[in-house]
Amino acid sequence: EAQVTQNPRYLITVTGKKLTVTCSQNMNHEYMSWYRQDPGLGLRQIYYSMNVEVTDKGDVPEGYKVSRKEKRNFPLILESPSPNQTSLYFCASSLFGGTNTEAFFGQGTRLTVV
Amino acid sequence: AQKITQTQPGMFVQEKEAVTLDCTYDTSDPSYGLFWYKQPSSGEMIFLIYQGSYDQQNATEGRYSLNFQKARKSANLVISASQLGDSAMYFCAMREGKAGGTSYGKLTFGQGTILTVHP
Repeated sequence: EAQVTQNPRYLITVTGKKLTVTCSQNMNHEYMSWYRQDPGLGLRQIYYSMNVEVTDKGDVPEGYKVSRKEKRNFPLILESPSPNQTSLYFCASSLFGGTNTEAFFGQGTRLTVV
Repeated sequence: AQKITQTQPGMFVQEKEAVTLDCTYDTSDPSYGLFWYKQPSSGEMIFLIYQGSYDQQNATEGRYSLNFQKARKSANLVISASQLGDSAMYFCAMREGKAGGTSYGKLTFGQGTILTVHP
């Protein structure tokens, strides 16, 4: 089954404790990205990757890191989480980044930083 | 400037009736794509329908249709014969930009509209 898999689904952590949210897709997609969803703001792009070893900042990259060592995986790293990073996070992938390509989303990761 | 605007924070509809969810967008790119996603209370994002900027006809997918008015920059979602399972948050999103541009591939989302279907 074609899918984007994120883990964990839920995470409660303390300020400053490094964490990684994993994302994997099995559709051989080139384009992957991370979004955060906050009430009243919709989803905003954090980072994206056009292909292996090619990543770039989205609209809200502060406090996050990513890497793309393999085509299928695109982990999101929070080196020192803070309470303002409490949010619902989505990984998404699409065949390319073209305007007519559908994005497939993971199930979401609800992160709480206390 | 807001690129995608959904002006209806919440909408109510009676089961079996049709409902229109509004979406206006702003772009100077001649090539762009417009998408609607559904987010049920369980949280996942479900793709509903796509409209390309050069498409001559309005997109349809089952009970979903997109009322695309390019000159007015609007892309409203019409759900016909509403069902209880349609109760969810609905997001309008746009993909613009050419390869190599800073916005390449980015989906820009509106704030969302919560739809409640009453029995």
